[in-house]
Amino acid sequence: SYVLTQPPSVSVAPGQTATITCGGNNIGDKNVHWYQQKPGQAPVLVLSYNDNRPSGIPDRFSGSNSGNTATLTISRVEAGDEADYYCQVCDSGDPLYVFASGTKVTVL
Amino acid sequence: EVQLVQSGAEVKKPGESLRISCTGSGYSFTSFWFAWVRQKPGKGLEWMGIIWPGDSETKYSPSFQGQVTMSADRSIRTAYLQWTSLKASDSAIYYCVRLQTGGTMKGYGDLWGQGTLITVSP
Repeated sequence: SYVLTQPPSVSVAPGQTATITCGGNNIGDKNVHWYQQKPGQAPVLVLSYNDNRPSGIPDRFSGSNSGNTATLTISRVEAGDEADYYCQVCDSGDPLYVFASGTKVTVL
Repeated sequence: EVQLVQSGAEVKKPGESLRISCTGSGYSFTSFWFAWVRQKPGKGLEWMGIIWPGDSETKYSPSFQGQVTMSADRSIRTAYLQWTSLKASDSAIYYCVRLQTGGTMKGYGDLWGQGTLITVSP
């Protein structure tokens, strides 16, 4: 089965940039989707297809995907960005949908 | 309003059966695949499987095949997740998720239910 790897945690000061990586074998050949989950809430989609922001998601959220690493970048970080972030892909094998283990973003 | 509303929290004993529900509103219910996602306390997201409400076609994750049953009743715009014999290890929050797939099985979740907390304890 396909494996995705994220760092467990990222810490960032307000106003700075947070970079969250999602590693996988030739992940650049796949579409990567990103979710934000705040404590006690359901996940929310923040990026689809590597870098596409849904309506209502600030343009501070951006993404890229190449080679073996996809990246979610949060610019001008705010306290409200503190959450767990998960990347997700679909694979040709089983399981069809794969989530990484998530990265906890802490705003200092 | 476009939304998914899940049934309420449940407390069950090991060996009991359970069915939880997810009702969609504000959009064409039979035009999207649904997924069920498990989240154990303090842990990450796990994909359990997907169902097409139009004809109840399903695809399960190998980890959940035979452990749960997904179904749907399109007449009442509701998807279900069912257990016949719960275990303590089934204690978790379960989310239903509408998927954007462009007509395939593959895609992403653009609309999530609020989650249903299941506690299984003697």
